[in-house]
Parts: sequence; C-alpha cells; structure tokens
Amino acid sequence: AQKVTQAQTEISVVEKEDVTLDCVYETRDTTYYLFWYKQPPSGELVFLIRRNSFDEQNEISGRYSWNFQKSTSSFNFTITASQVVDSAVYFCALSGGDSGGYQKVTFGTGTKLQVIP
Amino acid sequence: NAGVMQNPRHLVRRRGQEARLRCSPMKGHSHVYWYRQLPEEGLKFMVYLQKENIIDESGMPKERFSAEFPKEGPSILRIQQVVRGDSAAYFCASSPPANSGSYVQYFGPGTRLTVT
Repeated sequence: AQKVTQAQTEISVVEKEDVTLDCVYETRDTTYYLFWYKQPPSGELVFLIRRNSFDEQNEISGRYSWNFQKSTSSFNFTITASQVVDSAVYFCALSGGDSGGYQKVTFGTGTKLQVIP
Repeated sequence: NAGVMQNPRHLVRRRGQEARLRCSPMKGHSHVYWYRQLPEEGLKFMVYLQKENIIDESGMPKERFSAEFPKEGPSILRIQQVVRGDSAAYFCASSPPANSGSYVQYFGPGTRLTVT
C-alpha cells in the first residue's frame, strides 16, 4: 500500500517570505516516482516536477526547489520569495513501479498556501 | 499542442439521472486515467485505461460507475442514477506509452459535477 502525507493543511505567508511544504511518503516499492502538482483557484492541476527514486539530487527551478531525502521518505518543496500568484493548493503524489504499477498515482490531501500581499 | 481536454467543465444533474464525462487525451498519449476529488480532499484514483482496455479499475465504485476508452473518440466516465454524494470534481489525465520512459500524468481541467 502507498501513502502520501501532507501534514500542513493550510499555510499563510507574507509576500517575499520563503515557505516549505512538507511531504512524507510510504511505499514498499524499491522503484517509484514522486510528483508535485499545483492547483490554483481556477481548479486545474499543473504538473511541477517528477523525481524518480534513484535520483536524490535536489532540484531548483527558478524560485522553486525540491529536497528529496530517501532516508526520511520525504520530498519537500520550497518556494523562495513567495508571490501572490503562488497561492494555490499543492499536492504531493507517488506512483510505485516494482509491479509495473507506475500508472496508479496516490495523492496527498494537499497543502493550501495563501500568500498575503 | 493541445493539452488534455475534458467536457463539459460543469455538469448539473438531478438525483437519478445519468452523468457522462468526456476526456480527450493529449496527442500521442495512449493511457488515460480518471480521478475524483471530493470537496476539500485530494485526488483519488478511479480507473486506468488504454485503448479498448480497462487496465486497473480498483478505485471505481462497484455499482453505477463505468468507464471506457474506445478505439475512436474520447474516453467516457459514466455515472448512472447519480446521488448527491457523487458531487465532486472529476479529473482525467493522460500519459505517453510506457516505453517512452515518461511516467508523468498530465491532467485536464476537470469536470465539476453537481447533483441536486
């Protein structure tokens, strides 16, 4: 069974502050993929990043960075110098691959981020 | 390069009616997935399909729900005799063939179903 836990239900920050969204996962698969998606108020889901279980390198994309630590089963997401447009619900997700089951993605319950001007 | 298309975007049905949700995957994508998002919750996997085949329907309710992905045309999620508890956002996603090495699912804008 797979599980993704996003313990932070809602976070509010003031514009230009840095914010980290936590994600902890559970899986028995040795091969798996981790994802982050953004859901702005308009409701669509926007893909942000995919990380496979063999690649623990941290990644930076503009103001976004991701910290993958296999030892603690965490895949945290940091937004630097937050902006109002970052206000959204952010979902962490996992798909496992040992049984060829990459396709079924398990989502966390999401963290609602509000950036206050 | 169009993304995943879903229609309608909003659907209102009375209790007992049928709801039909359509999804056209991205060009070149042969895998389709349906997810349901209840208010204030995350997305829950329902079903995974390839053309003319249901691969994994472990998340589908046993009754009233069905899905298909015919050889031609969009994938359809059908809910018969809708009840108030079916009110949710239904998202479709698509991904390229497995041999492409990409396991990213790209999501459509969703269909918001309201049952009155």
